[in-house]
Amino acid sequence: SQQGEEDPQALSIQEGENATMNCSYKTSINNLQWYRQNSGRGLVHLILIRSNEREKHSGRLRVTLDTSKKSSSLLITASRAADTASYFCATDARGSNYKLTFGKGTLLTVNP
Amino acid sequence: NAGVMQNPRHLVRRRGQEARLRCSPMKGHSHVYWYRQLPEEGLKFMVYLQKENIIDESGMPKERFSAEFPKEGPSILRIQQVVRGDSAAYFCASSPPGQPSGNTIYFGEGSWLTVV
Repeated sequence: SQQGEEDPQALSIQEGENATMNCSYKTSINNLQWYRQNSGRGLVHLILIRSNEREKHSGRLRVTLDTSKKSSSLLITASRAADTASYFCATDARGSNYKLTFGKGTLLTVNP
Repeated sequence: NAGVMQNPRHLVRRRGQEARLRCSPMKGHSHVYWYRQLPEEGLKFMVYLQKENIIDESGMPKERFSAEFPKEGPSILRIQQVVRGDSAAYFCASSPPGQPSGNTIYFGEGSWLTVV
Protein backbone atom coordinates (compact mmCIF):
# COMPACT_ATOMS: atom_id res chain seq x y z
CA SER A 1 0.00 0.00 0.00
CA GLN A 2 1.02 3.57 -0.52
CA GLN A 3 2.13 5.94 2.20
CA GLY A 4 -1.01 7.64 3.47
CA GLU A 5 -3.50 5.22 1.97
CA GLU A 6 -7.12 5.62 2.98
CA ASP A 7 -9.85 3.07 3.20
CA PRO A 8 -12.54 2.60 2.29
CA GLN A 9 -12.24 4.22 -1.11
CA ALA A 10 -15.90 5.18 -0.97
CA LEU A 11 -18.42 5.34 1.84
CA SER A 12 -22.12 6.10 1.62
CA ILE A 13 -24.17 6.75 4.76
CA GLN A 14 -27.40 8.41 5.87
CA GLU A 15 -27.50 11.81 7.48
CA GLY A 16 -27.09 11.52 11.25
CA GLU A 17 -24.93 8.42 11.09
CA ASN A 18 -21.26 8.35 11.98
CA ALA A 19 -18.57 7.97 9.33
CA THR A 20 -15.22 6.35 9.98
CA MET A 21 -12.32 6.53 7.57
CA ASN A 22 -8.95 4.91 8.01
CA CYS A 23 -5.47 5.76 6.87
CA SER A 24 -2.37 3.58 6.85
CA TYR A 25 1.18 4.63 6.21
CA LYS A 26 4.56 2.97 5.94
CA THR A 27 7.35 5.10 7.33
CA SER A 28 7.83 6.88 10.65
CA ILE A 29 6.13 10.26 10.68
CA ASN A 30 6.30 13.60 12.41
CA ASN A 31 2.65 14.47 11.97
CA LEU A 32 -0.48 13.29 10.26
CA GLN A 33 -3.08 15.66 8.88
CA TRP A 34 -6.58 15.18 7.53
CA TYR A 35 -7.97 17.32 4.74
CA ARG A 36 -11.36 17.59 3.06
CA GLN A 37 -11.86 18.34 -0.60
CA ASN A 38 -15.18 19.17 -2.19
CA SER A 39 -15.44 18.32 -5.85
CA GLY A 40 -13.52 20.81 -7.97
CA ARG A 41 -12.29 22.73 -4.97
CA GLY A 42 -9.15 23.07 -2.88
CA LEU A 43 -8.21 21.24 0.26
CA VAL A 44 -9.52 22.35 3.60
CA HIS A 45 -7.38 21.49 6.60
CA LEU A 46 -9.36 19.61 9.24
CA ILE A 47 -6.96 18.51 11.92
CA LEU A 48 -3.29 17.82 12.63
CA ILE A 49 -2.16 15.14 15.04
CA ARG A 50 1.44 14.83 16.11
CA SER A 51 3.26 11.53 16.35
CA ASN A 52 3.30 11.70 20.16
CA GLU A 53 -0.47 12.21 20.35
CA ARG A 54 -3.01 9.40 20.36
CA GLU A 55 -6.31 11.20 19.97
CA LYS A 56 -7.56 14.62 19.05
CA HIS A 57 -11.00 16.19 18.82
CA SER A 58 -12.33 19.12 16.89
CA GLY A 59 -16.07 19.68 16.90
CA ARG A 60 -17.68 16.61 15.33
CA LEU A 61 -14.31 15.23 14.30
CA ARG A 62 -12.28 12.71 16.23
CA VAL A 63 -8.88 11.56 15.01
CA THR A 64 -6.86 8.73 16.45
CA LEU A 65 -3.28 7.79 15.73
CA ASP A 66 -1.65 4.44 16.40
CA THR A 67 2.03 4.72 15.53
CA SER A 68 2.66 1.07 16.38
CA LYS A 69 0.21 0.04 13.65
CA LYS A 70 1.07 3.03 11.46
CA SER A 71 -2.57 3.91 11.14
CA SER A 72 -5.01 6.71 11.83
CA SER A 73 -8.76 7.02 11.78
CA LEU A 74 -11.06 9.96 11.22
CA LEU A 75 -14.51 9.78 12.78
CA ILE A 76 -17.21 12.24 11.79
CA THR A 77 -20.15 12.07 14.15
CA ALA A 78 -23.75 13.01 13.37
CA SER A 79 -22.95 13.44 9.70
CA ARG A 80 -24.64 16.03 7.53
CA ALA A 81 -25.21 16.23 3.80
CA ALA A 82 -22.67 19.06 3.74
CA ASP A 83 -19.99 16.60 4.88
CA THR A 84 -20.13 14.98 1.44
CA ALA A 85 -16.59 15.30 0.11
CA SER A 86 -13.33 13.42 -0.38
CA TYR A 87 -11.18 13.04 2.70
CA PHE A 88 -7.42 12.68 2.54
CA CYS A 89 -4.82 11.90 5.12
CA ALA A 90 -1.35 13.35 4.64
CA THR A 91 1.83 12.44 6.42
CA ASP A 92 5.16 14.14 6.68
CA ALA A 93 7.86 11.58 7.19
CA ARG A 94 10.73 11.84 9.63
CA GLY A 95 13.69 13.36 7.87
CA SER A 96 11.45 15.18 5.43
CA ASN A 97 9.54 17.52 7.62
CA TYR A 98 7.67 19.45 4.97
CA LYS A 99 6.84 17.05 2.16
CA LEU A 100 3.31 15.78 2.61
CA THR A 101 2.40 12.40 1.18
CA PHE A 102 -1.28 11.97 0.38
CA GLY A 103 -3.36 8.89 -0.19
CA LYS A 104 -6.02 8.62 -2.86
CA GLY A 105 -8.73 9.60 -0.44
CA THR A 106 -12.09 8.34 0.75
CA LEU A 107 -15.13 9.66 -1.07
CA LEU A 108 -17.84 10.16 1.55
CA THR A 109 -21.43 10.59 0.46
CA VAL A 110 -23.95 11.58 3.10
CA ASN A 111 -27.50 11.04 1.89
CA PRO A 112 -30.19 13.37 3.26
CA ASN B 1 -6.85 37.47 6.24
CA ALA B 2 -6.93 36.18 2.71
CA GLY B 3 -6.01 32.59 2.15
CA VAL B 4 -3.65 31.18 -0.43
CA MET B 5 -4.59 32.79 -3.72
CA GLN B 6 -4.13 30.99 -6.98
CA ASN B 7 -4.81 32.13 -10.51
CA PRO B 8 -6.04 31.33 -12.95
CA ARG B 9 -8.56 28.91 -11.50
CA HIS B 10 -9.08 27.27 -14.85
CA LEU B 11 -6.73 27.28 -17.80
CA VAL B 12 -7.04 25.65 -21.19
CA ARG B 13 -3.94 25.25 -23.34
CA ARG B 14 -3.26 23.56 -26.63
CA ARG B 15 -0.50 21.02 -26.84
CA GLY B 16 2.86 22.76 -27.18
CA GLN B 17 1.81 25.99 -25.49
CA GLU B 18 3.06 27.27 -22.16
CA ALA B 19 1.09 27.36 -18.94
CA ARG B 20 1.87 29.78 -16.11
CA LEU B 21 0.22 29.29 -12.76
CA ARG B 22 0.48 31.89 -10.02
CA CYS B 23 0.30 31.60 -6.28
CA SER B 24 0.29 34.22 -3.57
CA PRO B 25 0.83 32.67 -0.14
CA MET B 26 -1.09 33.63 2.94
CA LYS B 27 0.02 36.86 4.55
CA GLY B 28 3.07 36.28 6.68
CA HIS B 29 3.86 32.90 5.13
CA SER B 30 7.30 32.41 3.65
CA HIS B 31 7.15 28.76 2.58
CA VAL B 32 5.42 27.81 -0.65
CA TYR B 33 4.70 24.34 -1.98
CA TRP B 34 3.28 23.12 -5.25
CA TYR B 35 1.36 19.86 -5.55
CA ARG B 36 -0.26 18.18 -8.51
CA GLN B 37 -3.45 16.15 -8.43
CA LEU B 38 -4.13 13.88 -11.36
CA PRO B 39 -7.73 12.69 -11.91
CA GLU B 40 -8.88 10.23 -9.23
CA GLU B 41 -5.55 10.56 -7.41
CA GLY B 42 -4.27 12.13 -4.25
CA LEU B 43 -1.94 15.08 -4.32
CA LYS B 44 1.71 14.58 -5.22
CA PHE B 45 4.45 16.88 -3.99
CA MET B 46 6.29 18.80 -6.69
CA VAL B 47 8.43 21.53 -5.19
CA TYR B 48 9.12 23.52 -2.02
CA LEU B 49 10.31 27.10 -2.24
CA GLN B 50 11.23 29.94 0.02
CA LYS B 51 11.80 33.47 -1.21
CA GLU B 52 14.32 33.33 -4.05
CA ASN B 53 15.28 29.76 -3.18
CA ILE B 54 14.22 26.34 -4.36
CA ILE B 55 14.56 24.11 -1.32
CA ASP B 56 13.38 20.80 -2.76
CA GLU B 57 12.30 20.11 -6.33
CA SER B 58 12.46 16.34 -6.11
CA GLY B 59 8.87 15.97 -7.26
CA MET B 60 9.21 18.10 -10.37
CA PRO B 61 9.37 16.38 -13.74
CA LYS B 62 12.88 16.71 -15.12
CA GLU B 63 11.88 18.60 -18.24
CA ARG B 64 9.47 21.39 -19.11
CA PHE B 65 8.54 22.24 -15.52
CA SER B 66 10.04 25.06 -13.49
CA ALA B 67 9.08 27.04 -10.41
CA GLU B 68 10.17 30.27 -8.82
CA PHE B 69 9.31 32.41 -5.83
CA PRO B 70 10.86 35.81 -6.42
CA LYS B 71 11.62 38.39 -3.79
CA GLU B 72 8.62 40.39 -4.95
CA GLY B 73 5.44 38.93 -6.35
CA PRO B 74 3.80 35.56 -6.45
CA SER B 75 5.28 32.14 -6.90
CA ILE B 76 5.05 30.90 -10.48
CA LEU B 77 4.80 27.33 -11.72
CA ARG B 78 5.69 27.24 -15.40
CA ILE B 79 5.00 24.35 -17.74
CA GLN B 80 6.51 24.62 -21.18
CA GLN B 81 5.29 22.75 -24.25
CA VAL B 82 2.35 21.23 -22.44
CA VAL B 83 1.14 17.73 -23.28
CA ARG B 84 -2.20 16.07 -22.53
CA GLY B 85 -0.70 14.26 -19.57
CA ASP B 86 -0.12 17.61 -17.87
CA SER B 87 -3.88 18.02 -17.48
CA ALA B 88 -4.40 18.10 -13.74
CA ALA B 89 -5.20 20.31 -10.81
CA TYR B 90 -2.19 22.18 -9.49
CA PHE B 91 -2.37 23.23 -5.89
CA CYS B 92 -0.24 25.76 -4.13
CA ALA B 93 0.16 25.71 -0.38
CA SER B 94 1.93 27.86 2.15
CA SER B 95 3.07 27.72 5.74
CA PRO B 96 4.49 30.27 8.18
CA PRO B 97 8.19 30.87 8.85
CA GLY B 98 10.10 28.45 11.02
CA GLN B 99 10.21 24.70 10.87
CA PRO B 100 7.55 23.49 8.42
CA SER B 101 6.91 20.34 10.37
CA GLY B 102 4.14 20.78 12.87
CA ASN B 103 2.84 23.83 11.07
CA THR B 104 -0.43 23.50 9.28
CA ILE B 105 -0.01 23.80 5.56
CA TYR B 106 -2.81 25.78 3.93
CA PHE B 107 -3.86 25.05 0.40
CA GLY B 108 -5.28 27.29 -2.27
CA GLU B 109 -8.31 26.50 -4.41
CA GLY B 110 -6.13 25.11 -7.17
CA SER B 111 -5.53 25.83 -10.83
CA TRP B 112 -7.20 23.32 -13.13
CA LEU B 113 -5.19 22.89 -16.31
CA THR B 114 -6.74 21.24 -19.33
CA VAL B 115 -4.55 20.51 -22.34
CA VAL B 116 -6.45 20.01 -25.57
